[in-house]
Amino acid sequence: EAAVTQSPRSKVAVTGGKVTLSCHQTNNHDYMYWYRQDTGHGLRLIHYSYVADSTEKGDIPDGYKASRPSQENFSLILELASLSQTAVYFCASSAGTGGYQDTQYFGPGTRLLVL
Amino acid sequence: GDSVTQTEGQVTVSESKSLIINCTYSATSIGYPNLFWYVRYPGEGLQLLLKVITAGQKGSSRGFEATYNKEATSFHLQKASVQESDSAVYYCALSGQVVGQLTFGRGTRLQVYA
Repeated sequence: EAAVTQSPRSKVAVTGGKVTLSCHQTNNHDYMYWYRQDTGHGLRLIHYSYVADSTEKGDIPDGYKASRPSQENFSLILELASLSQTAVYFCASSAGTGGYQDTQYFGPGTRLLVL
Repeated sequence: GDSVTQTEGQVTVSESKSLIINCTYSATSIGYPNLFWYVRYPGEGLQLLLKVITAGQKGSSRGFEATYNKEATSFHLQKASVQESDSAVYYCALSGQVVGQLTFGRGTRLQVYA
């Protein structure tokens, strides 16, 4: 069974502080993704990566950095957290893109509250 | 860009009744996107419910089914008889041209009562 874990599961941060969200997958997948979800909206892609030591911008990268130090680990970094970044964050992985490879496997999510 | 529309934010159904959750899409980046339904149970992450990659075909899982209708650009989720354990949030999604990118609908919360 594919496994994606996230830590922490919830966090309260102060405005202007630094926040790091971590994701670990044991699927041996090349692709990893970070999404955010706001209440009443679908998931939106922040950053993704298809190989270690490389990251790509998604639809809404402003205010976020990503780091992929190894195939298994993918972090999302908020250098200066803002109120507007309060959301639920999901990490996902996939074997590839297109055809039968693009199914993404998701972690349980991290609920971030910025005060 | 690509988009997915789920018109209902919440659906409430009595146990053993039938269900349909509507999903329509617009895929400007690719002619034949792959289409997905994901489900999120309380306290858990999203998990794949079903996926269809060929227009005209039907996918099914756990009693749910959805047909890829290219003409209507729809991918509605149906179940003949729902159970309380089906209560969850359901997301329709498509994969387009952009590498690895899934475009999601806003989700439909299904509440099944006994």
